[in-house]
Amino acid sequence: EIVLTQSPVTLSLSPGERATLSCRASQSVSTYLAWYQQRPGQAPRLLIYDASNRATGIPARFSGSGSGTDFTLTISSLEPEDFAVYYCQQRSNWPLTFGGGTKVEI
Amino acid sequence: QVQLQESGPGLVKPSETLSLTCTISGDSISSSYYYWGWIRQPPGKGLEWIGSIFSSGNTYYNPSLKSRVSISVDTSKNQFSLKVTSVSATDTSMYFCARQNRQLAAFDSWGQGTLVTVSS
Repeated sequence: EIVLTQSPVTLSLSPGERATLSCRASQSVSTYLAWYQQRPGQAPRLLIYDASNRATGIPARFSGSGSGTDFTLTISSLEPEDFAVYYCQQRSNWPLTFGGGTKVEI
Repeated sequence: QVQLQESGPGLVKPSETLSLTCTISGDSISSSYYYWGWIRQPPGKGLEWIGSIFSSGNTYYNPSLKSRVSISVDTSKNQFSLKVTSVSATDTSMYFCARQNRQLAAFDSWGQGTLVTVSS
């Protein structure tokens, strides 16, 4: 099983600031990595697939990078609605696994 | 636009079987582009993949749950279902069904989730 480790656990920032979230895999997942946003009381929403591709309707301030074992989600300028929990997920191998999440708080 | 809706009991007794159904609208469960999956989230915690199924019936399960979990498809009703046997308090979670896009290698559509509590 591939373990995904996200850091930091909590990121405290202000609106307008840049957020950088990390996801590290225990072995290579190539670029089979996705990022999700989950707001309180809501289902997760797909932001990024294949490490760097924005899903339909996702604003350009969200970007993903990385390959192999190290990945980054960047939010260039935080909007109030971006304060949420973010998860990475790999589909390189079964079983699918999620990271533990990073909470972006004000 | 695809919509997924979970349904089933919100309360299950310990040692009994949890059964949930996901009804799909706006898409066909028989599509070759997707798997259909279940993910759960204990209160205040992270996401855990339970398993996925293809319309042909091929299934993939989380090894940590495999002995207690089964997922099935009903193409006539455009639904797929989850059963978890011998539940305990640790199975108390929000349960989500989701569409797993094979090309994107990601879950691109989710149901709103249903909370299942295991308690006597």
